[in-house]
Order: sequence, then C-alpha cells, then structure tokens
Amino acid sequence: DTGVSQDPRHKITKRGQNVTFRCDPISEHNRLYWYRQTLGQGPEFLTYFQNEAQLEKSRLLSDRFSAERPKGSFSTLEIQRTEQGDSAMYLCASSLTPGLLRGSYEQYFGPGTRLTVT
Amino acid sequence: RKEVEQDPGPFNVPEGATVAFNCTYSNSASQSFFWYRQDCRKEPKLLMSVYSSGNEDGRFTAQLNRASQYISLLIRDSKLSDSATYLCVVNSKGFKTIFGAGTRLFVKA
Repeated sequence: DTGVSQDPRHKITKRGQNVTFRCDPISEHNRLYWYRQTLGQGPEFLTYFQNEAQLEKSRLLSDRFSAERPKGSFSTLEIQRTEQGDSAMYLCASSLTPGLLRGSYEQYFGPGTRLTVT
Repeated sequence: RKEVEQDPGPFNVPEGATVAFNCTYSNSASQSFFWYRQDCRKEPKLLMSVYSSGNEDGRFTAQLNRASQYISLLIRDSKLSDSATYLCVVNSKGFKTIFGAGTRLFVKA
C-alpha cells in the first residue's frame, strides 16, 4: 500500500501526559499537512511542511504542540501536557507541490490517529 | 463569518434522487476548489476537483462561480453507497486549505 500511513491509529492517554504521532506520506510527495478534526466539523489545518521546512502554523497550534519532519520524509506531531480538549482525530495528508508534476493541490489523507484524553 | 460555509444538512433522499450541495467561500483570492467525501470514522477522500468551466465525473457534476464565490456538487441517480459526508474544500495561494463543516447525505432504499 503506497498511501499515507499514520501510527498509532488510536491513543488513549491521561491528562497531562505527552503523546507523539507519526505520519508517513506518499513517497514522492514533498508537502505534508497536519489537521485536527472533531465530531461534526471538517478538518482544521494545524501545520504544513514543504520538504523538511515547517512553513506555517495555525493559531490552533498552541505551544504545547510541536511538529517535525527532520529528513523531509515522515513527520511527527507531539502534544505535551495533554488536555481533554485535545481529544480529536489527528489527520495527516500529503501532496505534490503544485506546478511540478501536477497543477493542483489535491491532498491525500491518512487514516488518522484518534486521541482520547481522559 | 466562516471562510467556507456549506448547507448544514442532513439530506435524506430516496435512491435514484438528484441532490445538490452548495458551498460559499469568503476569500476572493481562493484558487483551487475540491469536493471530498468522508465516510463515518474514516479519512476524507478526494471526490473531484472543481474547475471554472464545470466538470462532470459519471453521476457527479461540480460547478464553480467565482463571481458569486460559490461551489456546487450535483449527484444524480443517488445510490445507497453515496451516503456520506461531503466536504467542500478551498485553497488559497500557496498552501492554506480550508474545509467546510460538511453536509451529511443519507440515501434510503
């Protein structure tokens, strides 16, 4: 399967603990995105990488959140001192850079990591 | 006002019906538009891109009206398998991607 993969698929943690999620994008995609989705809402943008560079972070991404993509391949999203309000589905997506092989911004999503903070 | 707004739904339609979803966006500089489909507790999957000239893929037709900042999706001859949430997605220049809240569709036998 050459799609976007995420690990773990589910995570239950106690409030105050740190958690880390991993995303492996489609191999030829140089853009990688993180989103958060809660019930009844569409995905909300968190942050975005072009290769290894983190180019933008949403206001939603508090200082407890950090993301890395050290070699321009897989990415990790860490949440420190988790709060109950962090409970959500965390989605990763990847895409090619527009204007290279493809002229549009279609993003392909992984299955997500469902976080429950108790 | 939300940057991308969709019909709140849900839409309940019988098999074979035609159903239309509407979406408006506030950023006139938006450049790319898409419809995604999301099944319950699954990730969003690209349904189709939306082009200025309008485009069709089988039973699905997407339209874009830049002047009115409006996107639509028409589903003809609805199938039970079309039951899902349909997400309107708008990209501005660069990377910024905004999803609508989604419109839920239930197709009943």
